[in-house]
This record gives sequence, structure tokens and C-alpha cells, in this order.
Amino acid sequence: GAVVSQHPSWVICKSGTSVKIECRSLDFQATTMFWYRQFPKQSLMLMATSNEGSKATYEQGVEKDKFLINHASLTLSTLTVTSAHPEDSSFYICSDAGDYGYTFGSGTRLTVV
Amino acid sequence: AQSVTQLDSQVPVFEEAPVELRCNYSSSVSVYLFWYVQYPNQGLQLLLKYLSGSTLVKGINGFEAEFNKSQTSFHLRKPSVHISDTAEYFCAVSVGDDYKLSFGAGTTVTVRA
Repeated sequence: GAVVSQHPSWVICKSGTSVKIECRSLDFQATTMFWYRQFPKQSLMLMATSNEGSKATYEQGVEKDKFLINHASLTLSTLTVTSAHPEDSSFYICSDAGDYGYTFGSGTRLTVV
Repeated sequence: AQSVTQLDSQVPVFEEAPVELRCNYSSSVSVYLFWYVQYPNQGLQLLLKYLSGSTLVKGINGFEAEFNKSQTSFHLRKPSVHISDTAEYFCAVSVGDDYKLSFGAGTTVTVRA
């Protein structure tokens, strides 16, 4: 089946710095990918839809200037958390949008100190 | 966005006992339904999905679910659980052509010996 590789699996950064999270589709072309955020003991909240070759679509309440999404190729989507603050600490997960199976990445635990 | 309700936030169960996790959704149109499992600090793994056809869906690891359109439910069951089934379980719904998934709040299953 489809494989989605997400890196890094965990990252600690200082407040005010930026962090980039990568999501790669290893054996298929992903024209659309989703980015989610998950707080401890909570469900996944959709942040944005990443579209290859075009601008991402953000969900209501998500700051597009803070969470930059780039989907420059059919195999790579990136999420950059800019000027990170402690409240951005969370678990971020990507998934593809293919064929009604939705393969998820393994997630990235971001801790901002 | 679609509403997905998982009626049980926590389900303790003894090893080899049966378990049922309840999921209800709100939609007046056709939906696609999913159950995912999440282990700590990991992404989501698909257990099973309903797209069309038979209302009884069999998934991995001995899980099955039944789609009930009249009751707008998609309950997950396993006749005999193992310690390794201890995890978080999410019900999710997709409607229409935008491929977006709406997740329930999750059910924590704890299997005890």
C-alpha cells in the first residue's frame, strides 16, 4: 500500500525560531495532502489542504502566515512553523488524500521551549 | 464540517473479552466511514473503511464494523481483545468530493490481563 514518510519524528526548538516538517509520498504521486494538529488526549484537527503546484487551503482559524505550506512536487509537502512559540507545541500529522484510504505519516512531536 | 460523535471516551476491557466502540455521524448525504487506531506518539493506522456495498466491513487485527444508515452509526467491534489492542481509536467521516476527514474525539481502549 501507499507509504507516507514524515520527518522529523520529534523536534525541540527555541521560541522565535522556525521549524520545517516534511511529508513524502514514497510510492505514489500525491496531488493533495492534508496537515493535521493534535493536542494531547485530543482528536486530530485539520489545519490545511496542500495542493501540488498551487496555494494551500487553510481551515478557519489557522494562521496561514504562521503555518507555511509548500507542495512543490508530487512527492513532497512541507509545513513550516514560523516564529514558533510554546503554544505551537503539538503533534503534527500529514496524510495523503488518495483513493479513500488516507495514509498517514508517523507524526512530528514539536516542543517549543 | 461533518459531526462525528464517539460515545465512549474510555473503554476498559479485560483480555479476551469482546469490545464495541460506538460512532455516530451527522449527514444527510452519502458518506465514507473509517476507523483508525493510534498508538502513543505514532500516526494513524487504518483498521477498516466503508465506501459502499456490504454494510458489514471486516478490517485488520480481527476488527469489524457495521454501517447502519438509518441510525447513522458505524460501530466498531472485536470479539476477543488482546493486550496489544490498548490504543486510541478514531472514527472518521468523509463527505463529497473534497476528501476532507472529520474525526471523532477518540476512544481510549485499555486492555487489562
